[in-house]
Amino acid sequence: GAVVSQHPSRVICKSGTSVKIECRSLDFQATTMFWYRQFPKQSLMLMATSNEGSKATYEQGVEKDKFLINHASLTLSTLTVTSAHPEDSSFYICSATRLELSYNEQFFGPGTRLTVL
Amino acid sequence: GQNIDQPTEMTATEGAIVQINCTYQTSGFNGLFWYQQHAGEAPTFLSYNVLDGLEEKGRFSSFLSRSKGYSYLLLKELQMKDSASYLCAAMDSNYQLIWGAGTKLIIKP
Repeated sequence: GAVVSQHPSRVICKSGTSVKIECRSLDFQATTMFWYRQFPKQSLMLMATSNEGSKATYEQGVEKDKFLINHASLTLSTLTVTSAHPEDSSFYICSATRLELSYNEQFFGPGTRLTVL
Repeated sequence: GQNIDQPTEMTATEGAIVQINCTYQTSGFNGLFWYQQHAGEAPTFLSYNVLDGLEEKGRFSSFLSRSKGYSYLLLKELQMKDSASYLCAAMDSNYQLIWGAGTKLIIKP
């Protein structure tokens, strides 16, 4: 298999607080991990791409100081939403690619629904 | 620029066949993916095409024409559980996925 987990699955927080979301590849080593955001009835929007041990590459329009990404190992990446505001409420999904696969299929985590009050 | 087009919504009847089309324009091309996404859940992989032609996998088939920048996902013997959004994504020369907005498929009894 190629299982990716995310924690927490749901989080509700107050405006101004920070929230950390973990993404783990459970049974494989991930060359690259991706962080997406999805608003209701819209497609996935890539926020950033991260490789273990190096700085994440952020997409245009995504504030790197607000969305902190740490990729500490080949099986763990974290996204921290700092000073969250209601407009940050969204469905955050991570994905990972496997070293062994040649065509870079992305395996998705189950997602984290963030609600900022 | 890079772009993926697919219909916003389609409706089909249980037991029937439906074809969801996708056209793409990318800087380079390293394959075309189809994912299924149920409401409130993460996408799950359905298929990958990098060569022209039809790939069949059970009730689902995917077709690719690289010269036309065109793909379709064919779903046969539709079941109510097939009601979901179907996302088309093309991989560019940097191995980055360019995502379509998704096609919401509604299955009626």
